[in-house]
Amino acid sequence: DVQLLESGGGLVQPGGSLRLSCTASGFSFDLYDMNWVRQAPGKGLEWVSTVTGGFGTHYVDSVKGRFTVSRDNSKNTLYLQMSTLRAEDTAVYYCAKKAVTGGGNWFDTWGQGTLVIVSS
Amino acid sequence: DIQMTQSPSSLSASIGDRIIITCRASQNIDSYLAWYQQKPDKAPKPLISAASTLQSGVPVRFSGSRSGTDFTLTITSLQPEDFATYYCQQYKSYPVTFGGGTKVDIK
Repeated sequence: DVQLLESGGGLVQPGGSLRLSCTASGFSFDLYDMNWVRQAPGKGLEWVSTVTGGFGTHYVDSVKGRFTVSRDNSKNTLYLQMSTLRAEDTAVYYCAKKAVTGGGNWFDTWGQGTLVIVSS
Repeated sequence: DIQMTQSPSSLSASIGDRIIITCRASQNIDSYLAWYQQKPDKAPKPLISAASTLQSGVPVRFSGSRSGTDFTLTITSLQPEDFATYYCQQYKSYPVTFGGGTKVDIK
């Protein structure tokens, strides 16, 4: 079975840093673009970042310069390094797999999510 | 950035009803549109990709269509397990963007 398991969420003070991880199994991790999508409490879905199979990266404007996405194909793991965190970054962060190796970036597999709370 | 305007934001319906949810893209996205279902405290589940391609295991009462920049998700004969929130997502270009969601609850 294809599975994604996030970890690393928690409570952090404004201005602080946190690193999220997503461990993948059941597919050839290195072939697929991987994504982070977040959902603030009671709100909708917001795409945050993508790292392609070729290690290219994309970010939503609100996190550019503060978040860094990366991957370690030897460990089948996706990361999101978050710094200078703000209250508005409070959300459940989902790891999501691009559905196909070519074509557009829609998501066929999601992790269970990890909650990040930015508060003093 | 491509804006996705989803409507309605909520609707109440009864078991057996037919419902339609609409998403309008702010510019041409061809058929690069997906639909997801999300239940409380769960991750989203993909229903449809490429505007109208039903994912494996999704009941045939779900369908999607496109007319220009307007997209619809139709659920015929609503079932108890269909009460959830639905999101559209465009993947024509970055940044990937979602619609605001439609919460479907029981009338």
